[in-house]
Amino acid sequence: SQTIHQWPATLVQPVGSPLSLECTVEGTSNPNLYWYRQAAGRGLQLLFYSVGIGQISSEVPQNLSASRPQDRQFILSSKKLLLSDSGFYLCAWSPDSLNTEAFFGQGTRLTVV
Amino acid sequence: AQKITQTQPGMFVQEKEAVTLDCTYDTSDPSYGLFWYKQPSSGEMIFLIYQGSYDQQNATEGRYSLNFQKARKSANLVISASQLGDSAMYFCAMREGLSSGSARQLTFGSGTQLTVLP
Repeated sequence: SQTIHQWPATLVQPVGSPLSLECTVEGTSNPNLYWYRQAAGRGLQLLFYSVGIGQISSEVPQNLSASRPQDRQFILSSKKLLLSDSGFYLCAWSPDSLNTEAFFGQGTRLTVV
Repeated sequence: AQKITQTQPGMFVQEKEAVTLDCTYDTSDPSYGLFWYKQPSSGEMIFLIYQGSYDQQNATEGRYSLNFQKARKSANLVISASQLGDSAMYFCAMREGLSSGSARQLTFGSGTQLTVLP
């Protein structure tokens, strides 16, 4: 069966520090991968998606970047965090199918102080 | 324009009663899928139910059913016999088809916070 792992679960980082959140998927190949961000009490905003290794599309220009160095690995990064980067970050994967739900990781709660 | 609209920021329902959470969507793609997720306070996203644009019948999954009105572009979630454990944030989401050129990403609404009262 397929599983998705996302870590860390919580993170407190000072302003200006770098960020690296990692997400890996097991039990499937060539998944579509996504990074979402959720502000407190709000909906999910798509940040990045990837349909294959090295293929990254950005939905919202900002202080973050994403990379997909391996088929089932998706990394969210920042060189210098801003206060506004605080939020709940969710990694997700889905097969390339219209009628299948996306499967989410447990999320990372990031607080920039 | 918003692709998914959830107009109810918060809803209350008495335990054992039914509740309807509203969702309207906007797409020009003839092929799309609609999803509902539940997010408890722990933050995990739990998939509840799916409705395809070409499905003739409304989807049902246990106590969850989807009132799909294609002409009105609405996909309301109905929870029957509410339980205390149903208290959570509920999100409606849409995935558009090939003609949109998308990577199958889900677009989410802003959510509805449901509270079940004892």
